Formats: sequence, structure tokens, C-alpha cells
Amino acid sequence: SQKIEQNSEALNIQEGKTATLTCNYTNYSPAYLQWYRQDPGRGPVFLLLIRENEKEKRKERLKVTFDTTLKQSLFHITASQPADSATYLCALDDNQGGKLIFGQGTELSVKP
Amino acid sequence: DTAVSQTPKYLVTQMGNDKSIKCEQNLGHDTMYWYKQDSKKFLKIMFSYNNKELIINETVPNRFSPKSPDKAHLNLHINSLELGDSAVYFCASSQDGAGVAYNEQFFGPGTRLTVL
Repeated sequence: SQKIEQNSEALNIQEGKTATLTCNYTNYSPAYLQWYRQDPGRGPVFLLLIRENEKEKRKERLKVTFDTTLKQSLFHITASQPADSATYLCALDDNQGGKLIFGQGTELSVKP
Repeated sequence: DTAVSQTPKYLVTQMGNDKSIKCEQNLGHDTMYWYKQDSKKFLKIMFSYNNKELIINETVPNRFSPKSPDKAHLNLHINSLELGDSAVYFCASSQDGAGVAYNEQFFGPGTRLTVL
């Protein structure tokens, strides 16, 4: 069956460290993968998109990798700050009609 | 200046009632979506419209009926509300081609529906 899983429901790290979040999928062949941030009581906000032919994408302190062989995307936040605390969602297209499939999210907490 | 807006933000109602949620986007996007986020935080697509035409219709009970009067609006009407309909409903939009979702999606603030 098709599945998209994020590594853990919650991740706690110390300020200044690098946070690494994992998104694994099975039985999909996505052309691209997206990462979103969601704060409590608000809608998701787009962060980064990476295509299947791209290995890595960066935006300021954010870095995303996409390994279609491993069927995995890693999302890194370097020099993390308490303001980075939020739930991070990965989403992939199902390659059939433009639907985004979301993972269940990882709640990141960055302690000062 | 809100890009994607939804009303109401909170909706508390009794089982069996009919209710509507409205969504508007001022981004000039062609495609709009409705998502449901349950208590476990899973965000699942329900419908998508491209230029007022239904593109995606997931296996959603037919008590849910989306309506798009123009490409800037996508409303969701729910008949005979059930306890299991309690969730947060998000509207979103993107600038996509029909049936293809390349681009980022812009989400509204959500409508928390509670059915008693």
C-alpha cells in the first residue's frame, strides 16, 4: 500500500544545533516533494520544493535532500532557533492528477 | 491583504445540521482545494477545482458538496453533519495547470468545525 511517513511525531533539540527531519515514502513515484511549516491554529506555510532530478535544495538556513532510490527526503534546519519550533509537514505529488499527499508531520521544539 | 481567507474560523453545531464554509483567494490562482485535518494532524485532500471545474474528488461522502461560483471562491457545504465531521478544514490555492500540482499551495487559516 502507499504510505508517506515522517520519522517521529516530536523532535526536541537545543538552540544552535541542526534539526534533521525525515520523510519516507513507499509505492509512490513523485515528481517532486514539498515541505511546509504549520504553527498551532494556523494553516501550513510552504517552505521548499525539490524535484526528482534535484539532489539538494537550500534556502537560508534550510536544506532539503531528495533520494528517489531510498525514497526519502531529509529536511535540515541549521543553527536552529526557538522561533523554528513548529510542526513540519512533507508532501509529495501522487503523479496522478495533481494531488498532494501529506505526511503526518513532525513537531519540532527548539529549546533555548 | 489576506491571500486566502476562510469564514467562519470556528463553527460549533449539532449533529444533523447543514453548514457552509466559505473561502476566497485574492492571488489570482486558477486552482483551489479543500483539505481536512483530523485530530491526528493528518492533512487530507477532499476536493480541488481548476477554473471552477472539479478536478479532484476524493472518496468523500456526498454530504460534502463544494461549489465554485468563480475561480476566486470555493465554498464547502456539508449536509446532515455527523460527529466524525469534526476537524479543521483548510482551503488552499495554487497557480497550477489543470490536473497538475507543481507549485506551492497557499493555505487559509482553517475552520475548526465541532459537531456536538
